[in-house]
Amino acid sequence: DAGVTQSPTHLIKTRGQQVTLRCSPKSGHDTVSWYQQALGQGPQFIFQYYEEEERQRGNFPDRFSGHQFPNYSSELNVNALLLGDSALYLCASSLREVWGTEAFFGQGTRLTVV
Amino acid sequence: QKEVEQDPGPLSVPEGAIVSLNCTYSNSAFQYFMWYRQYSRKGPELLMYTYSSGNKEDGRFTAQVDKSSKYISLFIRDSQPSDSATYLCAMDAGNNRKLIWGLGTSLAVNP
Repeated sequence: DAGVTQSPTHLIKTRGQQVTLRCSPKSGHDTVSWYQQALGQGPQFIFQYYEEEERQRGNFPDRFSGHQFPNYSSELNVNALLLGDSALYLCASSLREVWGTEAFFGQGTRLTVV
Repeated sequence: QKEVEQDPGPLSVPEGAIVSLNCTYSNSAFQYFMWYRQYSRKGPELLMYTYSSGNKEDGRFTAQVDKSSKYISLFIRDSQPSDSATYLCAMDAGNNRKLIWGLGTSLAVNP
């Protein structure tokens, strides 16, 4: 089992550009959540997807959007990038009914906006 | 006031020491309490979770939850250099289905 896989691992973008990050959940998991972790901070919840719909959302602007596919994989899109969007973006997967106690994280995508 | 408070450290201890890591919280609805370990440039790894109050032990690690004080702890016995990492507490009310995190405490165990 490959666990949660994220791609790419590193990314450099220019202010104003758009970026798409990808996540494949652990085998058997149906729920995907995305977190933003700035340097020296704890992760901040962005949103969660289940059954291809956004179920929960944190305090992030509409520039942050996502998608979940029928195979449970997910994408995070960020438009009009700002310098402050530079962070480690983490994807977590779990089974819907055991959320919170069995969340597995990928290694993250480190996004740098210049 | 943040919902979850955690001293970022850094904390430096000699090998073999007992380490105590702590978080406080303000939301009485939290029911699930997790400790994650994060190595540099890696994603968080779940160490332990506790539901409601009480203690839980797993090898060298012990997690404690005191809901009356809104205080959780993680103890590491016989600490090893490989324990050097950032330790994050995270909490969930169970119905919200999203984790609220502390800042993380940076731990260095010196040989």
